[in-house]
Amino acid sequence: GENVEQHPSTLSVQEGDSAVIKCTYSDSASNYFPWYKQELGKRPQLIIDIRSNVGEKKDQRIAVTLNKTAKHFSLHITETQPEDSAVYFCAASKYNFNKFYFGSGTKLNVKP
Amino acid sequence: DAGITQSPRYKITETGRQVTLMCHQTWSHSYMFWYRQDLGHGLRLIYYSAAADITDKGEVPDGYVVSRSKTENFPLTLESATRSQTSVYFCASSGNTPLNTEAFFGQGTRLTVV
Repeated sequence: GENVEQHPSTLSVQEGDSAVIKCTYSDSASNYFPWYKQELGKRPQLIIDIRSNVGEKKDQRIAVTLNKTAKHFSLHITETQPEDSAVYFCAASKYNFNKFYFGSGTKLNVKP
Repeated sequence: DAGITQSPRYKITETGRQVTLMCHQTWSHSYMFWYRQDLGHGLRLIYYSAAADITDKGEVPDGYVVSRSKTENFPLTLESATRSQTSVYFCASSGNTPLNTEAFFGQGTRLTVV
């Protein structure tokens, strides 16, 4: 099965700085890569996703990049704000099978 | 968000008891999943289902049983609960087309086995 590794496990940044979270995956057939944000005590919610036919996707302060050759994808958050503080999970899936494998999570702390 | 609901939200049970966690979705999504969330392990897939009457094991299926007689329901049963099954359990669902791939999560069930 798929193996998704995520780094770092914790990340602390100053408000206004950028944050980068990195993930690698093992199954070259994976073609859908979502990122989820989980606030304390709440359910994970999708913030951005990317498909294997695209190298980069942006949504306001959030961007995701994908390197299929290296089997590596990253989440970039610019101009971080205290409300960005949460746990972020990457995942990999094959959308014809829809089995989602998640990374172990990154706890982001944005200091005011 | 009301489209996928879990019950109960909190459950305390004793070692060796059987307990069932319920999951219901109103979107008619084909795929449904059960994950457990433990500190340091992220979200680990227990079981998933591609459609009614089709289920398959995930990464950590031992000690769990699932069924899916109706598209909208996907209960998870712990046949004989152990302390190692103390965790937060999330149910999720997603569609079966490339444009309908997002997984939506329920609110979670916090299970404590004493």
